[in-house]
Formats: sequence, C-alpha cells, structure tokens
Amino acid sequence: DTGVSQDPRHKITKRGQNVTFRCDPISEHNRLYWYRQTLGQGPEFLTYFQNEAQLEKSRLLSDRFSAERPKGSFSTLEIQRTEQGDSAMYLCASSQAGEETQYFGPGTRLLVL
Amino acid sequence: GESVGLHLPTLSVQEGDNSIINCAYSNSASDYFIWYKQESGKGPQFIIDIRSNMDKRQGQRVTVLLNKTVKHLSLQIAATQPGDSAVYFCAENTGGFKTIFGAGTRLFVKA
Repeated sequence: DTGVSQDPRHKITKRGQNVTFRCDPISEHNRLYWYRQTLGQGPEFLTYFQNEAQLEKSRLLSDRFSAERPKGSFSTLEIQRTEQGDSAMYLCASSQAGEETQYFGPGTRLLVL
Repeated sequence: GESVGLHLPTLSVQEGDNSIINCAYSNSASDYFIWYKQESGKGPQFIIDIRSNMDKRQGQRVTVLLNKTVKHLSLQIAATQPGDSAVYFCAENTGGFKTIFGAGTRLFVKA
C-alpha cells in the first residue's frame, strides 16, 4: 500500500496523559498536513510542513500540541496533558509540491477519558 | 470569513438513481475545489476536483459543476450504488496549502 499511513488507528487515554501519533506520507510527497475532525464536522486544518519545515500552524494548535517532521519524511503529532476536548479523529494528508490535491490517511481516533 | 457549507446534511436516494450534492462557498478568491468521500472510520478519499476557470468536469460516474456567479458547487453521481453511501465533503483552496472543508452531506443509498 503506497498511500498515507497513520499509527495507531485508535488510542484511548486518560485525561492528563501524553499521546503521540505518527504519519507516513506518500513517499514522493514533500508536503504534509495534520487535521482534526470531530463527529459530524469536516476536517479542520492544524498544521503544515514542507519537507522538514513547519510553515503554518492553526490557532487550534494550542501549546499542548507539537508536531515534528525531522527528516522531511514521517511526522509526529504529540498532545501533552490531554483533555477530554481533545477527543477527535486526527487526520494526516500529503501532497506534492505545486499540487493542491491532498491525499488523506485513515486517521487516528483519540478518546480521552 | 471564509466558509464552505452544504445545503443539506443528509440525502437519501434509491439505488440506480442519480444523486446531486450541493455546496455553497463564500470566498470568491478560491480557485480550486475538491470533493471528498468519507466512509465510516476512514479518512477522506479524493473523488474529483475542478479549477475556477472551468464550469464542469467529469469523472467516472461523477460530475462536478461550478457556478462562480452564485458561488455554488455540486457533485452529481450517476446510477448511485450502495457503495456510494458515505459523507461527502466539498473543500476549497485559495492557492497554496490551506484547504477549507465544509460540514459534509451524508448520502444514504436505499436498495
């Protein structure tokens, strides 16, 4: 499978714990995006990388959230001191430079108890 | 502010009929539009796109129509099948990285 992959697919954690999600984009894509999606809503943009550089962060991305893409390939999204309001589907997408079409992974569903 | 919305939250169609899903956008600067299909528990799947210099684009069983005058986008699915049941999102892009999604329309296909 050469699509975008995400790990884990599901995560249940207790409030206050830290969680980390991983995204592996399509191999030739140098742009990577993180979105959050709550039930019944469309995905909301969180952040964007071009290669290893994080070029844009949404106001939705509080100080408890941090994303990295150290080698310009896979990316991680960490949430510290999780809150119940962080429960959502976290989606990763990738695209080629110069193309707007983003291809999404299956998402990581987070439930904070 | 920028927004992309859908007229109907749910749409129910008979198998074999054509489906039309509508979308309104508010940012006249948007120049690229995409339809995504999302099945339960999965990420959005690209269906078809259209640029603002076009009015219509056809794919396999799907057609996207763009009316820039009234800022309206629609997705037509021909001969709707049970496998088409999903939530459909329209999304807009003003150039660059940022894609804005609407809330989605859930399509039910009755056998």
